Amino acid sequence: DQQVKQNSPSLSVQEGRISILNCDYTNSMFDYFLWYKKYPAEGPTFLISISSIKDKNEDGRFTVFLNKSAKHLSLHIVPSQPGDSAVYFCAASGTDYKLSFGAGTTVTVRA
Amino acid sequence: DTAVSQTPKYLVTQMGNDKSIKCEQNLGHDTMYWYKQDSKKFLKIMFSYNNKELIINETVPNRFSPKSPDKAHLNLHINSLELGDSAVYFCASSQLLAGGGGGELFFGEGSRLTVL
Repeated sequence: DQQVKQNSPSLSVQEGRISILNCDYTNSMFDYFLWYKKYPAEGPTFLISISSIKDKNEDGRFTVFLNKSAKHLSLHIVPSQPGDSAVYFCAASGTDYKLSFGAGTTVTVRA
Repeated sequence: DTAVSQTPKYLVTQMGNDKSIKCEQNLGHDTMYWYKQDSKKFLKIMFSYNNKELIINETVPNRFSPKSPDKAHLNLHINSLELGDSAVYFCASSQLLAGGGGGELFFGEGSRLTVL
């Protein structure tokens, strides 16, 4: 039973525009949320995180928004750049310290 | 200098064989993990070790046995390989237990196992 869901398997965006990736979760015990980025033939790399006590965290071009009541988070990338083309994984954890991952969203940034 | 390194990167073997994947991290982290990425691309935790002690053991067949000789190494041994074991296996480490600040995982490049 997948507790973290990324319902959009792919996203195509023009360079310079905003990319918005969505993630939903079902476990109300999750209190920490992360986004990972993965290039082909490489391992995922940590991008940005947010604690459940916040509703927004920003790091440069990347902003994560958390809506606890809706059990929903999103990642905004603005402006999108060609190097952002990758697979993005949403992940969440609670007090059991296990990270649960979504299936990923493949982002393609068009020139 | 690679932070989390796994060997081999690719492994092709026959059903019934026994194989091992090795993992080493030079980040000084206390916690190491094995994750499996299946054909549906989900990353699922298999095992976690903290200071050489097993702390997470998901519902993984006992054909899979992790071994941590020291904090910097976590190896995965698989006995009697089956077709369904074909997947990409990722090793990871973190300073603290996953979740919460400091628990961000650093992943290796993955080991693609193909069982014929």
